[in-house]
Amino acid sequence: EPEVTQTPSHQVTQMGQEVILRCVPISNHLYFYWYRQILGQKVEFLVSFYNNEISEKSEIFDDQFSVERPDGSNFTLKIRSTKLEDSAMYFCASSHGTDLSGNTIYFGEGSWLTVV
Amino acid sequence: ELKVEQNPLFLSMQEGKNYTIYCNYSTTSDRLYWYRQDPGKSLESLFVLLSNGAVKQEGRLMASLDTKARLSTLHITAAVHDLSATYFCAVVTQGGSEKLVFGKGTKLTVNP
Repeated sequence: EPEVTQTPSHQVTQMGQEVILRCVPISNHLYFYWYRQILGQKVEFLVSFYNNEISEKSEIFDDQFSVERPDGSNFTLKIRSTKLEDSAMYFCASSHGTDLSGNTIYFGEGSWLTVV
Repeated sequence: ELKVEQNPLFLSMQEGKNYTIYCNYSTTSDRLYWYRQDPGKSLESLFVLLSNGAVKQEGRLMASLDTKARLSTLHITAAVHDLSATYFCAVVTQGGSEKLVFGKGTKLTVNP
């Protein structure tokens, strides 16, 4: 079964460092997302991406965050200057489209980011 | 702003028993999802519910949606230990947004 893959699975970084989290969405999907989950808390939306641009973003997704689809397969999340509170599991997700026919959003295994 | 409330947040039940998890949301929605998450793992899609009165079943889990009441339920029948996990409902708002708003999750523990 096709799946969303993410790397790295776990990264430890020093506060203030830049981090890039990588994702390979399912190949025929058109919509891409990043969500995060702080330990023990609910999953929060960060950003959605369609047609090579951000379609929606949350208040969490401030200037230190950026997303990119550098080629036909990868989708990346960059955090420019990490803060302690950025420590979380970051999930990439993808979906085929926004039609109302039961469009399933598939999640990757997550990248666990620890900022020290 | 769309808010999604789940209850209970913690549920401990014996094998063989039935129980229901509730998900309320605050504004009109296009779609409602149920996901399962095992500790340290990703979110596994269980159900997508689109319309009022929709009911879907998979094994011991059955999900339903009442859009008028803005309520979805996830019913567990004759629970088994393998169902132990955290269950999230997530709602997509109307109007073309693809943003999922999640509830806080229900941590289910099924005891032998």
